[in-house]
Amino acid sequence: FVLTQPHSLSQSPGDTVTISCTRSSGSIADNYVHWYQMRPGSSPTTVIREYDQRPSGVPDRFSGSIDTSSNSASLTISGLKTEDEADYYCQSYDANNRVIFGGGTKLTV
Amino acid sequence: QVQLMQSEAEVQKPGASVRLSCKTSGYTFSRNYIHWVRQAPGQGPEWMGIIDPRGTGADYARKFLGRVTLTTDSSTATVYLDLASLTPDDTALYYCAREYDQSSGWFDYWGQGTQVSVSS
Repeated sequence: FVLTQPHSLSQSPGDTVTISCTRSSGSIADNYVHWYQMRPGSSPTTVIREYDQRPSGVPDRFSGSIDTSSNSASLTISGLKTEDEADYYCQSYDANNRVIFGGGTKLTV
Repeated sequence: QVQLMQSEAEVQKPGASVRLSCKTSGYTFSRNYIHWVRQAPGQGPEWMGIIDPRGTGADYARKFLGRVTLTTDSSTATVYLDLASLTPDDTALYYCAREYDQSSGWFDYWGQGTQVSVSS
């Protein structure tokens, strides 16, 4: 299956943005979805794990959710800061336990 | 603290092979799977494979079957990635990443990345 994300989003500081990750086949609830922030020159960091859990150290401005009706997971960032400007990728697993990444969303703040 | 320290950048010619290393520390090596993920310029991350440091085996993305081999050295808590028959399309930043646990499958720690450049 494929995980589809919007290619790019642009918001102003202080705004709220939601990035979707839609699974093409099978249920979004079949396998956990995790979200990673990737900035040039830095290693990726996890901002949301297991659909809606924040790893320690991640600000509560970051939240995640799942919507089975649209077969998608979402990452929401509220109170946007310029430091949130990055590429965001969702990640899940297929039936053979192989990792699948979404195509990524370039967030401009 | 948990650290994954990767080897230095590599420059290789087409047709060559490359070995990358990922030296772990700060935790019990055998307890967490290690994955390799690469990111080519302007592209998203691409999963390459996973290895169980207990020595039970490895699994690879279909795209890399027959060309990539993952191994471990438990004496040094190091994971290796061997990639053969390099082409310019293999030019990318290669990361190792630790899987938090099998039940959830997220990556909690990443190496700093190793740049591999393939050019004649």
